[in-house]
Amino acid sequence: GAGVSQTPSNKVTEKGKYVELRCDPISGHTALYWYRQSLGQGPEFLIYFQGTGAADDSGLPNDRFFAVRPEGSVSTLKIQRTERGDSAVYLCASSLSGLSYNEQFFGPGTRLTVL
Amino acid sequence: SQQGEEDPQALSIQEGENATMNCSYKTSINNLQWYRQNSGRGLVHLILIRSNEREKHSGRLRVTLDTSKKSSSLLITASRAADTASYFCATALRSGYIPTFGRGTSLIVHP
Repeated sequence: GAGVSQTPSNKVTEKGKYVELRCDPISGHTALYWYRQSLGQGPEFLIYFQGTGAADDSGLPNDRFFAVRPEGSVSTLKIQRTERGDSAVYLCASSLSGLSYNEQFFGPGTRLTVL
Repeated sequence: SQQGEEDPQALSIQEGENATMNCSYKTSINNLQWYRQNSGRGLVHLILIRSNEREKHSGRLRVTLDTSKKSSSLLITASRAADTASYFCATALRSGYIPTFGRGTSLIVHP
């Protein structure tokens, strides 16, 4: 079956612009996670959805970052007024449920470059 | 913040040798997972070990967990060039669901 997919694979934008990053989780997975990974670092948690609701958004760095999952499947991470420091690989993962012993399946990521 | 910290940061070995990576963490955990990442994209889950387990095996992989020392190790036996990747440990706190990743160990296996 299909794994987690993310689009676009690469996004180059200018400082101050708005971007949307999309994640298609594995069908039937109720839990969805967004992470951000900078070069040489591990994935940094941003937000976790259980179904349609954001169960934990404590990792969002500031109010320029927002994510939605309106139908409990596809999720969109939205970044307003992008800054150069937002440049990173944004990873999405899904799991069968939100229980911590469920394996997370990761997408290939979206590499965001803010010029 | 990153709960688990891998050691060493980088490891370079010859094909056929064993590779051992360690992960230390600070607070009690519900479980610990090891992931692998090639070329900075797409992590792949390797093994999950729960806090009441001490050792797990999967093919050439062996993971141990010592909760008294708050540490885990990942052993890759008979390494292959294809094992070249970054390896991350991720810990899930007892009261939470979100795995927290360390900075990873970069493993290079020379053919």
